Amino acid sequence: DTAVSQTPKYLVTQMGNDKSIKCEQNLGHDTMYWYKQDSKKFLKIMFSYNNKELIINETVPNRFSPKSPDKAHLNLHINSLELGDSAVYFCASSRASGEKLFFGSGTQLSVL
Amino acid sequence: AQSVTQPDIHITVSEGASLELRCNYSYGATPYLFWYVQSPGQGLQLLLKYFSGDTLVQGIKGFEAEFKRSQSSFNLRKPSVHWSDAAEYFCAVAPTSGTYKYIFGTGTRLKVLA
Repeated sequence: DTAVSQTPKYLVTQMGNDKSIKCEQNLGHDTMYWYKQDSKKFLKIMFSYNNKELIINETVPNRFSPKSPDKAHLNLHINSLELGDSAVYFCASSRASGEKLFFGSGTQLSVL
Repeated sequence: AQSVTQPDIHITVSEGASLELRCNYSYGATPYLFWYVQSPGQGLQLLLKYFSGDTLVQGIKGFEAEFKRSQSSFNLRKPSVHWSDAAEYFCAVAPTSGTYKYIFGTGTRLKVLA
């Protein structure tokens, strides 16, 4: 069983479109995250939810909207996609603050 | 400001040679420290972590890391590198309480020569 699974693995779309990435974890963790990895491999936190409550909201355009229907799921919706949104987006979870992160295998988003 | 620095963007070693990847951090207090590895097309996998106690930490795949408080460093080492170790390596820190805000270094890409 995959611990943290995200779909789709690849997402190719046109500028201006709206798209969603889904993430689910079966580890029973309370905290989930979205990270963005740019072309230089730099990993930056975008959002974090703890028990469905938003606890980290970094400087991210408001075109990005996370949604956590329950503590096992954290989805990312992106409106009006731009070229600069092209990146790999990773979902992750942890049991608590300071505990190790479990990562999904990433969603490679390409905006044309 | 809190930060993690990995000074080496790329490192190339021959198979069987020893390896050391550098990591320095800037933080208000000693944080939790981690090393992760990312293989191509994959998510990050934890190699090892330091919370407290013994400053030499053993991890998976034969890796170890040493925490040096005086140097704010947490360097990763392996005595003999295997071709399968070629990957991207990330050092990370996390607060010991509260914020859940992990900070990652910019990564070191390891290439292994046969």
